[in-house]
Amino acid sequence: KAGVTQTPRYLIKTRGQQVTLSCSPISGHRSVSWYQQTPGQGLQFLFEYFSETQRNKGNFPGRFSGRQFSNSRSEMNVSTLELGDSALYLCASSLLGAGYEQYFGPGTRLTVT
Amino acid sequence: GIQVEQSPPDLILQEGANSTLRCNFSDSVNNLQWFHQNPWGQLINLFYIPSGTKQNGRLSATTVATERYSLLYISSSQTTDSGVYFCAVQLRETSGSRLTFGEGTQLTVNP
Repeated sequence: KAGVTQTPRYLIKTRGQQVTLSCSPISGHRSVSWYQQTPGQGLQFLFEYFSETQRNKGNFPGRFSGRQFSNSRSEMNVSTLELGDSALYLCASSLLGAGYEQYFGPGTRLTVT
Repeated sequence: GIQVEQSPPDLILQEGANSTLRCNFSDSVNNLQWFHQNPWGQLINLFYIPSGTKQNGRLSATTVATERYSLLYISSSQTTDSGVYFCAVQLRETSGSRLTFGEGTQLTVNP
């Protein structure tokens, strides 16, 4: 069974631009979560989607948004990029979410200049 | 919110040594996972262990949910074990799959 895939793997953007990251979960998994990892803040939860609905949201500004499609694939969008948005963005999938094991993709490394 | 503390923050070993990593958490959880982050950033699943004991080769883990801690044991360490180990928990009260991570243990295994 294929694992979680994320595209693109690396991205360089300029301040003020916007970016869209994509995540394809493991086949059959319905929950997709997004995390941001930075050296200063560690791994922080962004949001979770289940059956196309946002079920949980972390403490991030409204510039961070996401969505999930009917095939469970998810995208996250960051608008008006800031230097501090430079991070590794990780996507995780699980069968149903709460109480189930989560599996992570390889991540998208975003650099904002 | 829930607090997750990992110790030690850094650990340096000689190849062949054994080690114990600890994870303390402040609330009841319904999911606890240990991960190894590889040099490229991917989180590799080691154990899904909300309670009890599991073993996988040279690695084993124990979670004592009533006392709110988990231990990861690495025996006969190898240089390929180097990297950051994370403990992550899911609060029992949450309806979703939000994981709260500890700050990690940076393990270096020298040849």
